[in-house]
Amino acid sequence: GENVEQHPSTLSVQEGDSAVIKCTYSDSASNYFPWYKQELGKGPQLIIDIRSNVGEKKDQRIAVTLNKTAKHFSLHITETQPEDSAVYFCAARGTGNQFYFGTGTSLTVIP
Amino acid sequence: NAGVTQTPKFRVLKTGQSMTLLCAQDMNHEYMYWYRQDPGMGLRLIHYSVGEGTTAKGEVPDGYNVSRLKKQNFLLGLESAAPSQTSVYFCASSYASGGAYEQYFGPGTRLTVT
Repeated sequence: GENVEQHPSTLSVQEGDSAVIKCTYSDSASNYFPWYKQELGKGPQLIIDIRSNVGEKKDQRIAVTLNKTAKHFSLHITETQPEDSAVYFCAARGTGNQFYFGTGTSLTVIP
Repeated sequence: NAGVTQTPKFRVLKTGQSMTLLCAQDMNHEYMYWYRQDPGMGLRLIHYSVGEGTTAKGEVPDGYNVSRLKKQNFLLGLESAAPSQTSVYFCASSYASGGAYEQYFGPGTRLTVT
């Protein structure tokens, strides 16, 4: 099955700086890569996603890049704000409609 | 729309007891999923369903059973709870449109097995 690895596990940035979280996957058949934000005590919420036929996608301060050849994708958050502090998960949709998640990155934005 | 709801929010079981977790969605989604979330391990898929009356095993199905008798509901059952099943359980649902499969998650059920 698919194996998704996520780094770093924790990340602290100053408010206004950028944050980058990286994930790798193993199954070349995976075709959809979402990123989720999870706040304490809540379920994950989709913040951005990318399909395998696209290399980059942006939504205001958030962007995702995908390198299919290297099998890695990254989340970029610019101009970070304290409300960006949360746990972020990457995921890959493999065969059979199954999703495989990374182990999460705890992001802290220091005011 | 309520989105995805889960019942109950919290539960404490003794080893060997059984229980059923209920997930309901009002978005007419075909796909529904059950995950467990443990510290440092992300979310792991237990079982999923691609339509009413269908179920399939995920990464960690042992000790769990599921049923999807109605399109809007997905039930997760523990027949004989074990301490290793202490976890936070999340249900999710999704549509399939143009190659995107956005999942909507419920608020979670925190289960403790003593």
